Amino acid sequence: TQLLEQSPQFLSIQEGENLTVYCNSSSVFSSLQWYRQEPGEGPVLLVTVVTGGEVKKLKRLTFQFGDARKDSSLHITAAQPGDTGLYLCAGINLSGNTPLVFGKGTRLSVIA
Amino acid sequence: DSGVTQTPKHLITATGQRVTLRCSPRSGDLSVYWYQQSLDQGLQFLIQYYNGEERAKGNILERFSAQQFPDLHSELNLSSLELGDSALYFCASTTGQGLNYGYTFGSGTRLTVV
Repeated sequence: TQLLEQSPQFLSIQEGENLTVYCNSSSVFSSLQWYRQEPGEGPVLLVTVVTGGEVKKLKRLTFQFGDARKDSSLHITAAQPGDTGLYLCAGINLSGNTPLVFGKGTRLSVIA
Repeated sequence: DSGVTQTPKHLITATGQRVTLRCSPRSGDLSVYWYQQSLDQGLQFLIQYYNGEERAKGNILERFSAQQFPDLHSELNLSSLELGDSALYFCASTTGQGLNYGYTFGSGTRLTVV
């Protein structure tokens, strides 16, 4: 079973601060996806990273896929209360024909 | 609205009972996935259907079963319910299979077994 470990598990910061959350595995993935989940809702896809070393930006969010395609990070610049939520990483295995494997997530709280 | 519809949104039932959760995938999506989310285990994959056929099974208990109908909606049946089955159950759909298909999730069904 491929496991994805996310850290930290919980993060509480002030508005305007920067933060980075991590997603690590001992397995190689063909790609990794990041989702954000808000209370009472299902996860919503933010980004897919495919190439080792790839960096993608989504406004104040920067996503990076590790060179070996085993890990990924999400960096948020100048966090805002609207960024509050559960951030989940999910991996697609090399064959691409099995369901997404999810990490347990990082629960972020941004305080105004 | 994600386009994936799950009903009911909340369900409270007693131990030993049976419930059915329903999912209508996004228009045009052929794959349906069921996940269970609990605080300690995170999102756990249960089962996948593709165009009416079962494609993959995860950590789904024998008391649980699912099916996908010709109109592509899916139902997850949970029987002989136990307290530990209390969780959020999500359905997700995708257009196809394989690399890089993002999942579109419904809003989930919160099941409480008392």
